[in-house]
Amino acid sequence: EPEVTQTPSHQVTQMGQEVILRCVPISNHLYFYWYRQILGQKVEFLVSFYNNEISEKSEIFDDQFSVERPDGSNFTLKIRSTKLEDSAMYFCASSTQGGGHYEQYFGPGTRLTVT
Amino acid sequence: DQQVKQNSPSLSVQEGRISILNCDYTNSMFDYFLWYKKYPAEGPTFLISISSIKDKNEDGRFTVFLNKSAKHLSLHIVPSQPGDSAVYFCAALTSGTYKYIFGTGTRLKVLA
Repeated sequence: EPEVTQTPSHQVTQMGQEVILRCVPISNHLYFYWYRQILGQKVEFLVSFYNNEISEKSEIFDDQFSVERPDGSNFTLKIRSTKLEDSAMYFCASSTQGGGHYEQYFGPGTRLTVT
Repeated sequence: DQQVKQNSPSLSVQEGRISILNCDYTNSMFDYFLWYKKYPAEGPTFLISISSIKDKNEDGRFTVFLNKSAKHLSLHIVPSQPGDSAVYFCAALTSGTYKYIFGTGTRLKVLA
């Protein structure tokens, strides 16, 4: 069964450093998403991406964040200058189409630890 | 601003009995609701969904009920199995947007 993959599984970085989290969505999916979950808290929507553009973003997704689909398979989340409060699990998801009728498939997540 | 709330952080149920997980929302613009299950060290997995034009949707052991006037939905699992032990998130969406709002989750433990 096709699945969403994410690398690395765990990333440790120092405050102020840039990080890039990588995701390979399911190949025939057209919509891509990033979420984060701070330990013990709810899953929070960050951004949705379609047709090489951000379609929607949350208040969390400020200028420090950017997303890119650099080639036909990868979908990346970049945090320019990490802060301690960016420590969280980051989940990538993809779906064939947008909207609730279309199931989102989540990757296993990348644990980001900012020290 | 918690638009989607799951007020029970945890729930324990005996194997074979019914598990009922609850979710409340405040935004009347939400018209699509989903339940996800999450095991440790894995991403959420879609379980079942319901559109606001329905009040019930069933899929095998899982049934979701929607009470729009109360802005409340619930997930029933019958019969509960030990493999159902996980964290369950409800999520809500407004049609035409892609911003899924998740609740805080309920940890279900099914006791053998």
